[in-house]
Order: sequence, then structure tokens, then C-alpha cells
Amino acid sequence: AQKVTQAQTEISVVEKEDVTLDCVYETRDTTYYLFWYKQPPSGELVFLIRRNSFDEQNEISGRYSWNFQKSTSSFNFTITASQVVDSAVYFCALRANFGNEKLTFGTGTRLTIIP
Amino acid sequence: DVKVTQSSRYLVKRTGEKVFLECVQDMDHENMFWYRQDPGLGLRLIYFSYDVKMKEKGDIPEGYSVSREKKERFSLILESASTNQTSMYLCASSSPGASNYGYTFGSGTRLTVV
Repeated sequence: AQKVTQAQTEISVVEKEDVTLDCVYETRDTTYYLFWYKQPPSGELVFLIRRNSFDEQNEISGRYSWNFQKSTSSFNFTITASQVVDSAVYFCALRANFGNEKLTFGTGTRLTIIP
Repeated sequence: DVKVTQSSRYLVKRTGEKVFLECVQDMDHENMFWYRQDPGLGLRLIYFSYDVKMKEKGDIPEGYSVSREKKERFSLILESASTNQTSMYLCASSSPGASNYGYTFGSGTRLTVV
């Protein structure tokens, strides 16, 4: 069975601070995909990133960066110099590779950026 | 721009009613999914479909059924709505294989059963 744990239920930081959202996953599959989604107040989930299990290179996209560590089964997400527009619920998700497009989601982390 | 459209943003239904939630995608995706989202529980998969007329149960199918008569449309049916089905329902679609962009989600339908 697959499982995704986001232990941080809610986080509040002051604008311009850096913040890291944690994601720990469990799977028996040797090949899998990890995702991060953002859900703003409008409700629609917005895709942020997908990582393959065989690619542990960290990624940076503007103020966003992701740290994938297979040894600790973690896929953490860092926002640098946070902005009010970053306030949202963030979900980490896991998908097995073969013929199975089901996503298993974590419970989400509500991030509030205080102006 | 690719889209997944859910027919209603908000719905209020009475206990015992039969409820239909509609979802349409314009991307010619084979796969479609229904999730429900509840505080503290994240998104949980109700049903999914890999092709027209095909369906598979997800993690919490009890009390729900689905219909996929056309590729672009995936309906979620609450046979006899109950108050514990009050929730946000999210539809999604994807293409088979290694999709670079994961799922595309609709904006959600917030259902209240009274």
C-alpha cells in the first residue's frame, strides 16, 4: 500500500520568510512519481512539480525548490522569500509507475503568509 | 487551454435524494477520477475510469456509483444522499503513461446534504 504523510497541518510565516513543507512517503514500488499541488482559495488544484523516483536531482523554479531524498523517503518543498499569494493548501502526492494512474495524496498543509 | 469542468460549484441536497455530479474534460484523456476532499483527510479516491464504460473502485466507493458513457464525461452518482457525504468533490483527468503534468483538476463541487 502507498502512503503519503504531511505532518504539518498548518504553518504561518511572516512575508519574506522562507518556509519548508515536509512530505514523507511509503511505497513498495521501485519506480514511482511524486507530485506537489497547490490549492488556492478558489479550490482548483494547481500542478507544481513531478519527480521520478530515479531522478534525485533537486529542482529550483524561481522562489520554489524541491529536495528529493530517496534514502529518507522525503520530498520537501521550500518557498523562499514567501509572498501573500503563496497562501494556500499544499498537497504532496505519490503515483506508482506501471499501468496505474491513481494518485495517493497526503492530508495537506495549510500555509498562511502574514503580511 | 485544457480544462476539466464540473457542472456545479455549490449544491445543496436533501437526505435521501439521488444526486448527480457531472464532470467534462476537453483533453481527450482516457483516465478520469473522482475524489472527495475533507479537512484533515486530504483527497480520497472514490472511483476512477480508464476508458469508456470502464470503472474501478477507489478507496471509499461506498454510497457512490459512476457512469462513463462518453470519453469526455464522467458522472458521480450518490444513490441516496446522506449527511456524511457533505464534502468537496473534485474531478480530474489524465493521460495514460508517464504524464509530465500529472492530473488536471476541476474547480470542485461543494455538496451540502441537509
